Amino acid sequence: TQLLEQSPQFLSIQEGENLTVYCNSSSVFSSLQWYRQEPGEGPVLLVTVVTGGEVKKLKRLTFQFGDARKDSSLHITAAQPGDTGLYLCAGASAGGTSYGKLTFGQGTILTVHP
Amino acid sequence: GAGVSQSPRYKVAKRGQDVALRCDPISGHVSLFWYQQALGQGPEFLTYFQNEAQLDKSGLPSDRFFAERPEGSVSTLKIQRTQQEDSAVYLCASSLARRFNQPQHFGDGTRLSIL
Repeated sequence: TQLLEQSPQFLSIQEGENLTVYCNSSSVFSSLQWYRQEPGEGPVLLVTVVTGGEVKKLKRLTFQFGDARKDSSLHITAAQPGDTGLYLCAGASAGGTSYGKLTFGQGTILTVHP
Repeated sequence: GAGVSQSPRYKVAKRGQDVALRCDPISGHVSLFWYQQALGQGPEFLTYFQNEAQLDKSGLPSDRFFAERPEGSVSTLKIQRTQQEDSAVYLCASSLARRFNQPQHFGDGTRLSIL
């Protein structure tokens, strides 16, 4: 069974601070995706990382995939209240009959106070 | 519509009743996934369809859960003899093709409450 450990589970910070969310596994994933979910809505894809060591930037968000493709991190610079939400990492499996099946971490609830 | 549509948005049922949850994926999307999300947790995989074929149902928690996609588009998740532990948000996602890095587009879910 593939598992993704996401930390921290809760994060409460002031506007302007930086933060990092971690996603770790003992399993190798074909790709790792980061989602953001608002209350009452479905998860919305932020980024997909595929290559070990890959770094992607999306405005103030920086995503990194570990060299061994077992872990990932999300770093937010100068957080804003609009960044508040549930952040989810998800690993995609390849092969077998569930190509693209996602295994999600437990999520990080981020609250950014003005 | 442009996105994945799920109905109903909210469903309240008494323990023991049967429920049916509907998912309309994005037109032309081959892959369809169902996930179950408990409050404050990440979604958990239930089942996967490629067109009309159910290729993986390993995440279905019991034989009370049944899913179908008879014509390769709309899918229905049915739960028989509901129990309180079935209370959760049920998410449907679709993707264009069967590839590991293909983005999944999620609906807003059906929040199921079993009394």
